[in-house]
Amino acid sequence: NAGVTQTPKFQVLKTGQSMTLQCAQDMNHNSMYWYRQDPGMGLRLIYYSASEGTTDKGEVPNGYNVSRLNKREFSLRLESAAPSQTSVYFCASRSSSNPGHSLRGGNTIYFGEGSWLTVV
Amino acid sequence: AQSVAQPEDQVNVAEGNPLTVKCTYSVSGNPYLFWYVQYPNRGLQFLLKYITGDNLVKGSYGFEAEFNKSQTSFHLKKPSALVSDSALYFCAVRDVGGSSASKIIFGSGTRLSIRP
Repeated sequence: NAGVTQTPKFQVLKTGQSMTLQCAQDMNHNSMYWYRQDPGMGLRLIYYSASEGTTDKGEVPNGYNVSRLNKREFSLRLESAAPSQTSVYFCASRSSSNPGHSLRGGNTIYFGEGSWLTVV
Repeated sequence: AQSVAQPEDQVNVAEGNPLTVKCTYSVSGNPYLFWYVQYPNRGLQFLLKYITGDNLVKGSYGFEAEFNKSQTSFHLKKPSALVSDSALYFCAVRDVGGSSASKIIFGSGTRLSIRP
């Protein structure tokens, strides 16, 4: 059971280069998310996809684009990387709207292991 | 728009003592509330959630949290802290009654340090 898988785990980019972070989940979840984590800033939502075919901006979407390729995959693209985009990126997916138990079941968010991106 | 605040960057507790990590939120509709824990260089692990029902919810590793609607708070608690509880804790909120019902916002995190 792989859960949420994101690649690459580590990447160094030069300013102005482009790259795509890939994310896939095997739990048949409708909703998927991309967050970035910076020291003292917590997790900030970049983009999310409530369901296949839809994407919406989060708190910090500037400089990023996303594609919900199918129900399993949600990619994040940096068209022209900047040093301010140096961060750890997390992909996540969310189970169904069934509320579920407090410890399991619906509405639990599952995270990937993170992608460390450095822009020099 | 929903928001969540964790007013303490760091909480220090002696092992065996009770701990509290604070979280307050703001939503336009009804909140779904979550606590996650992060260990160094790892992703986030689910601890517990409040969706509906009892205001006191129990989670993994002996943690619990109390939903207080009047104070718009969802503080994380544990009766007796362990050194192994030392980690970074995140509170999150989903505004199910708002215009962006799938959006989930996280707080800035609280570093919990348990001294032996």
